[in-house]
Amino acid sequence: TQLLEQSPQFLSIQEGENLTVYCNSSSVFSSLQWYRQEPGEGPVLLVTVVTGGEVKKLKRLTFQFGDARKDSSLHITAAQPGDTGLYLCAGAYGNNRLAFGKGNQVVVIP
Amino acid sequence: DVKVTQSSRYLVKRTGEKVFLECVQDMDHENMFWYRQDPGLGLRLIYFSYDVKMKEKGDIPEGYSVSREKKERFSLILESASTNQTSMYLCASSSSLHTQYFGPGTRLTVL
Repeated sequence: TQLLEQSPQFLSIQEGENLTVYCNSSSVFSSLQWYRQEPGEGPVLLVTVVTGGEVKKLKRLTFQFGDARKDSSLHITAAQPGDTGLYLCAGAYGNNRLAFGKGNQVVVIP
Repeated sequence: DVKVTQSSRYLVKRTGEKVFLECVQDMDHENMFWYRQDPGLGLRLIYFSYDVKMKEKGDIPEGYSVSREKKERFSLILESASTNQTSMYLCASSSSLHTQYFGPGTRLTVL
């Protein structure tokens, strides 16, 4: 079983602050996805990272894949209330399967 | 844009009923998946399918079956619903590139 640990589980910050959340594993993944999920909705894909050390930016969100392809981080600059949500990381392994972490719940207070 | 739709957003059923959850994708993806999501447990894979009429068990298949008669449609069946199957059910699809796209989810309550 592939395990992904996300930390912190819960994070509450003021609008305008920066934050970083983490996704760690002892397993190597061929790629890693980050999703954001709002209450009562399905996860929405934010980014896929494939190469060790890869950095991708999506507006104020910066995603990094670890050199060894075992971990990843998500950094949000100048957080906005619209960034509130559950951030899920998922590592790809085997034949098109994904292993999911339990998520980072982020709350941005106006 | 990839679109994955699920037949119901909310569903209430009684214990022992047979329940059908349907999922349709419009991107000609080979792979389709059914997950359930519960607080504290995250997303758990129930079944997946690589092709029409092909299916494989995921991590928690007990109490569930699936059907894939057409490439775009993947159905999850609860043969005899039980209260411990109350959950959020999520369908996803992907091409061969690993990235999965999710539907909006079905919140199932079994009374």
